[in-house]
Formats: sequence, C-alpha cells, structure tokens
Amino acid sequence: KAGVTQTPRYLIKTRGQQVTLSCSPISGHRSVSWYQQTPGQGLQFLFEYFSETQRNKGNFPGRFSGRQFSNSRSEMNVSTLELGDSALYLCASSLAAKGTDTQYFGPGTRLTVL
Amino acid sequence: AQKVTQAQTEISVVEKEDVTLDCVYETRDTTYYLFWYKQPPSGELVFLIRRNSFDEQNEISGRYSWNFQKSTSSFNFTITASQVVDSAVYFCALSETLQGAQKLVFGQGTRLTINP
Repeated sequence: KAGVTQTPRYLIKTRGQQVTLSCSPISGHRSVSWYQQTPGQGLQFLFEYFSETQRNKGNFPGRFSGRQFSNSRSEMNVSTLELGDSALYLCASSLAAKGTDTQYFGPGTRLTVL
Repeated sequence: AQKVTQAQTEISVVEKEDVTLDCVYETRDTTYYLFWYKQPPSGELVFLIRRNSFDEQNEISGRYSWNFQKSTSSFNFTITASQVVDSAVYFCALSETLQGAQKLVFGQGTRLTINP
C-alpha cells in the first residue's frame, strides 16, 4: 500500500504571498490531519478533516485554512505569508472512524518564507 | 490541558549501548492513547507503537521495548544494543479526542545520536 504523499516537498515563498500544500492519504483512510513543525514550537496540530468536514482545529490564525475533497485528498492554504510560517508541514492520515486510530505521516513539505 | 514532556533533549551513546528515552504525560481523560514516532533526517514521522490506557502490559519488538506505567504517567522507550541507524529524533505523543476527531499532542522530542 502506498504511504501518505505530500506535494511539493520544498517551497520558497516571500512574505505576503500565499501557498497551497497538498496531501494524498493512504488508500482507504478518510481522515487527514495537518501539523506544523518548527524548532521553537515543536509539532503543533493545525486541523483535521474527515469526510470533507473539518472536525477539529488547532490554535492558529485564520490565515491557515484547509479543505478535503471527496477522494479524501486534502489541501491546506496559508495566505499572507509571514516569516514565522517557515516550517515543515506534515500531513497524517488515519481510518479515524472514531478518532482513536493510528496516524501515519507523510514526508512533509518544507516551506521557507523569505 | 494535555501535555507530554520529554525531559531529555539530546542523548548520545556509543553503538551497542542500551538507551532509554523518557516520556511523561498529563491528561484528565480515563481513556487515552500513547504513541511513539521516529523522525529520521528525511523528516517523515515513522510510527513505532500505540498503547491504550487500559493496557499496561509492556511490549517488546525486536530491539525496541516500551514500559507503560499509569501510576507514574510514564511511557518510556528502550532501545537495546543500539545501532547507528537508530539515530533520529524520537517523539512521544498523546491522543486527544474531541467530537470524534483525534488530535495528537507531542512532546518536544529527544534527539538520539548513536556513535560508531
């Protein structure tokens, strides 16, 4: 079974721009979660989608948004980029019918904001 | 609020030594899940183990073993006869379930370096 895939793997943007990251979950997985990893804050939860609905959201500003498509693929968008948005963005998928399943992570997208 | 603490920021040992990574958690939930993930330099988080709060039996998988103690809210991870390939950052995580959705709360990670 193919794992979680994320595209692109690397991105360089400038302040004020917006960016869209993509995540394809493991086949059969309906839940997709997004996490931000930075040296200062560590791994922080952004949001989780299940069956095209956002079920949970972390403590991030409204510039961070996401969506999920009917095939469970997910995208996250960051508008008006700031230097502090530079991070590794990790996507995870799980069966998560009841929210207790194991999350499997993709390789991440490394975003650099200049 | 839920919290996971990995007090060891960095550990460096010589190959073949045994090493234990500590994890202490805080939660008010009676049912919860604990996880360990490995993050090699490539960046991907690799799942190692999941343990639910009702199962305190220790687990061994090859050179890896886990010691879950509810009484001390700890879920420690031991690598026996460490190898250079074990070098990575290891994260302990606690699941929080809200409205059916799962959210992982991670510790700050322990960077493990195995020297040849």
